[in-house]
Amino acid sequence: NAGVTQTPKFQVLKTGQSMTLQCAQDMNHEYMSWYRQDPGMGLRLIHYSVGAGITDQGEVPNGYNVSRSTTEDFPLRLLSAAPSQTSVYFCASSPSDRLPLAEQYFGPGTRLTVT
Amino acid sequence: AQKVTQAQTEISVVEKEDVTLDCVYETRDTTYYLFWYKQPPSGELVFLIRRNSFDEQNEISGRYSWNFQKSTSSFNFTITASQVVDSAVYFCALSEVGFGNEKLTFGTGTRLTIIP
Repeated sequence: NAGVTQTPKFQVLKTGQSMTLQCAQDMNHEYMSWYRQDPGMGLRLIHYSVGAGITDQGEVPNGYNVSRSTTEDFPLRLLSAAPSQTSVYFCASSPSDRLPLAEQYFGPGTRLTVT
Repeated sequence: AQKVTQAQTEISVVEKEDVTLDCVYETRDTTYYLFWYKQPPSGELVFLIRRNSFDEQNEISGRYSWNFQKSTSSFNFTITASQVVDSAVYFCALSEVGFGNEKLTFGTGTRLTIIP
């Protein structure tokens, strides 16, 4: 199993550009999520999905869109990049959000810089 | 609202010393889960432990041990005989059961440096 994969590893965008961060998992996990990690702030949830066709907002969803057309893939779209979106982005998956809660498996991260 | 506080921003110890990382949480739920994750310099997040609120037994895994105390809302992590490979940022996280994983709240992390 490759686990959770993310592409690209690094990206530089200009303000106003759009792009999609890719996330895929091969563990047949129902639950997937996107976090951003900023210095001194831990990880904050952007969007999550409890299964194909179902998505919902997390703590910091503004400026981001997601979709979940398959169990395996959960892309994160930046609609119009802003410098405030400079961050490290992590995708994660877990078997489900039902009890007992399992740990989340994280991808290697995407470091995004918006100039 | 749930909250996780890791008051120690950075800790440095000499190799072979013991070190404890503090985690204090706030929640209104009686049923919840607590987690610890490790983020080594390479950047990935590695799961270390999960504990539910009904299981207050302390846990030991090799040089790692965890002390869960509901009375003080703490879930502290101790590394015994630290090694250079333990250098990393460590995150404590809390999930309230009613909402599942989507309410996983992370602390701000403690950067641990082990000096050889």
